[in-house]
Amino acid sequence: GQNIDQPTEMTATEGAIVQINCTYQTSGFNGLFWYQQHAGEAPTFLSYNVLDGLEEKGRFSSFLSRSKGYSYLLLKELQMKDSASYLCAVRNDYKLSFGAGTTVTVRA
Amino acid sequence: DAGVTQSPTHLIKTRGQQVTLRCSPKSGHDTVSWYQQALGQGPQFIFQYYEEEERQRGNFPDRFSGHQFPNYSSELNVNALLLGDSALYLCASKRGAGTLGTDTQYFGPGTRLTVL
Repeated sequence: GQNIDQPTEMTATEGAIVQINCTYQTSGFNGLFWYQQHAGEAPTFLSYNVLDGLEEKGRFSSFLSRSKGYSYLLLKELQMKDSASYLCAVRNDYKLSFGAGTTVTVRA
Repeated sequence: DAGVTQSPTHLIKTRGQQVTLRCSPKSGHDTVSWYQQALGQGPQFIFQYYEEEERQRGNFPDRFSGHQFPNYSSELNVNALLLGDSALYLCASKRGAGTLGTDTQYFGPGTRLTVL
């Protein structure tokens, strides 16, 4: 089976840093993805990890530890437009299994 | 360059009816996946199509079926609708058959299905 856990909600101030954790237990693994989803819109790709370590992409970074079944997404220099749901997803064969998403609210 | 498109945007049906949702993949993409996203949840994988064949299926009953056409567009059919089928149905496309590498899936805007 697939079990992907992430916090339900997080709140942070504009300009701050927020870290969204994701833990997973899946029957197979060939990559972990992070997607951003604004209310009423499609998920958009943010980052991908398949090897242990940190991947940096502008204001967004993602970390993976396969031995611990753990990943995090780091959002730096938060902007109001970063208010959205952030989805952690594990790829197994051809399918993506998603967590329930973490709603991030950025306050002025 | 058009992204993934889906139709219709919204749909209202009653229990027991049948529905067909449509998806056109991003230009250059040949693989299409369908997901169901209930309110407040992450997307749940329904199935994936490549070369007009269903390659992998999630934990959904046979009431959910699909098709991929030679131009790579795809349809999702749901028979005998239940109240619990109310959700956002997302289509995602990617290039190629592999499961390695970034292999990014691009999502369409979704079809919001309401079953009364």
